Formats: sequence, C-alpha cells, structure tokens
Amino acid sequence: DTEVTQTPKHLVMGMTNKKSLKCEQHMGHRAMYWYKQKAKKPPELMFVYSYEKLSINESVPSRFSPECPNSSLLNLHLHALQPEDSALYLCASSQVGGRGNEQFFGPGTRLTVL
Amino acid sequence: KQEVTQIPAALSVPEGENLVLNCSFTDSAIYNLQWFRQDPGKGLTSLLLIQSSQREQTSGRLNASLDKSSGRSTLYIAASQPGDSATYLCAVYRGSTLGRLYFGRGTQLTVWP
Repeated sequence: DTEVTQTPKHLVMGMTNKKSLKCEQHMGHRAMYWYKQKAKKPPELMFVYSYEKLSINESVPSRFSPECPNSSLLNLHLHALQPEDSALYLCASSQVGGRGNEQFFGPGTRLTVL
Repeated sequence: KQEVTQIPAALSVPEGENLVLNCSFTDSAIYNLQWFRQDPGKGLTSLLLIQSSQREQTSGRLNASLDKSSGRSTLYIAASQPGDSATYLCAVYRGSTLGRLYFGRGTQLTVWP
C-alpha cells in the first residue's frame, strides 16, 4: 500500500467554525508533513512530525494546530481561519532516513473559508 | 538558501513529441532530487527520485538525469501523450533538515492530440 489518504476532499467553513483535516498512511513511514498550496504556486511546508513528535513548525499561525495521535495518523485542527487561508492542504509521508526522504503525497483537501 | 528554477514555465506540444523539462538549483550540496506530477486541484504524484550518488533514473517513458556539479536536472518524456498533460514539479532535499524540500514553480505541460 503506497497510498496517503486525506479527508474530507472539500471543506467550506466560516471564520468562526472549528474543523479538522485528517491524513492517514499505512506504509510504516515515521515522518508526516502538512503543506499548504495556493493556486499556481508550489507547496509550502507547514509542519513536520518525526516519530509522532513535532520537529518543524514553519512559523504557522496558531489558528492551525497539528496533531499526530499515532504513527499512521495526522490531523490538522482549524479554528478562526481567515479567507486568505483558503487553499489546497496536502499531507505527505516519508521514511526517516532510508531512501533519502522520498515523500508520498495525498490527494489534498480543498479548503474554502468564507 | 536553496533556490530551484524550472524552465520553461509552460509548454504546449502535439502528441508524440519527445520533451525535455529543466530544473536548476543553486546549492549543489543536495541529498536527492524528486520529480512530481500534479493534475489540476489534485495532490502530487512522485515520478522519480534521484539520489545524489546517482546520475539518472528511468520509469517507463520517463528518464530523469542529475548533474550535481552544474546544479541541473532534466526530465525527459518520450513519445508524449495527452494524458501527460499536467504540471511537473522538481524538488531538492538537502538532507540537513528533515522534511525540507525546496520546490520549483513547475512546468505546466499541455499535450494536444
């Protein structure tokens, strides 16, 4: 199984809502990532978890709160978002070491903030 | 800081042509380079990964080469098909910080029948 799954596919939320994005992989990878991608731009790294511990936070606003409950699951909790946070949110996973950090991406969640 | 540039930004070709997409990076101290494909509104699909000790990788009609000393990689697509239409991104990994991929802005490829 070389698949990273993400739910939901699409999400529309108001600025006062609280919602969560979910990502799952069963490849035995111990590093998981959240990226944000705006239209016609490359993905921007947000967070990296290694062995279920947060290892990188790219100065992301606190309205985005990541969580890694176990080695297969990664969540991104959203609260009080702004319209400019509308984007495609991508999850990825990789081994730690091994084949040099080859990252496998999920299909993304298209988020719209009204 | 590592900067990655992809040329051309867009390419439109008839079906059957052989294509070369270019990627250049400023810091040759990379650990590996990864080529991705992205369809509109979708996630990234990993096409090929070249480790720094390798010169090329092949998968089907795709061949990627790496020249670390000159800071360049090329993705060669043989006998292009309309289904190859997508944005192609290259990304380099320096190996010093887990997860730090430096992406180019991509080449948007259109192959018409």
